[in-house]
Amino acid sequence: GENVEQHPSTLSVQEGDSAVIKCTYSDSASNYFPWYKQELGKRPQLIIDIRSNVGEKKDQRIAVTLNKTAKHFSLHITETQPEDSAVYFCAATRDTGRRALTFGSGTRLQVQP
Amino acid sequence: KAGVTQTPRYLIKTRGQQVTLSCSPISGHRSVSWYQQTPGQGLQFLFEYFSETQRNKGNFPGRFSGRQFSNSRSEMNVSTLELGDSALYLCASSPETGRNSPLHFGNGTRLTVT
Repeated sequence: GENVEQHPSTLSVQEGDSAVIKCTYSDSASNYFPWYKQELGKRPQLIIDIRSNVGEKKDQRIAVTLNKTAKHFSLHITETQPEDSAVYFCAATRDTGRRALTFGSGTRLQVQP
Repeated sequence: KAGVTQTPRYLIKTRGQQVTLSCSPISGHRSVSWYQQTPGQGLQFLFEYFSETQRNKGNFPGRFSGRQFSNSRSEMNVSTLELGDSALYLCASSPETGRNSPLHFGNGTRLTVT
């Protein structure tokens, strides 16, 4: 089955700096890669996703890049703000319905004001 | 639109007991998936239901089961509870159609097994 590794497990940045979280996956058939943000005590919420036929996708301060050859994808957050502090999870799936996700272990991002 | 609703929010059970958790998806969403979240194992897929049928299943023992009703509401059941079943159980719904249909998670049910 799929295996997703995520690094780093914790990340501390100063407000205004950029943050990068990296994930690698094992199943070359995986074709959908979402990123979820989970604030303390709250539900995971989708922040951005990318399909395997796209190399990069941006949404305001957030971007995701995908390298299919190397089987890795990354989340980039620019101009970080204290409200970006949360745990971020990457995921991958080959499931055409995109519901059976394999998640990474999570990255705790702390943005220092 | 109301979000995904899970009940109860908290549950304390004893080893060997069984438990049933409930999930009401977003109105119009016909697919319901269940995930287990623990500090050690992270988020793990349990199963997915659509039109009252289990469509996909993760790598969990048979003690974990679920069902979906005609109104798309879903329940999951864990029998013969073990200490290791203590976790946050998350339900997620999504529309059936469309490739761009991400999962919408509920707030979860926190199960503690003593």
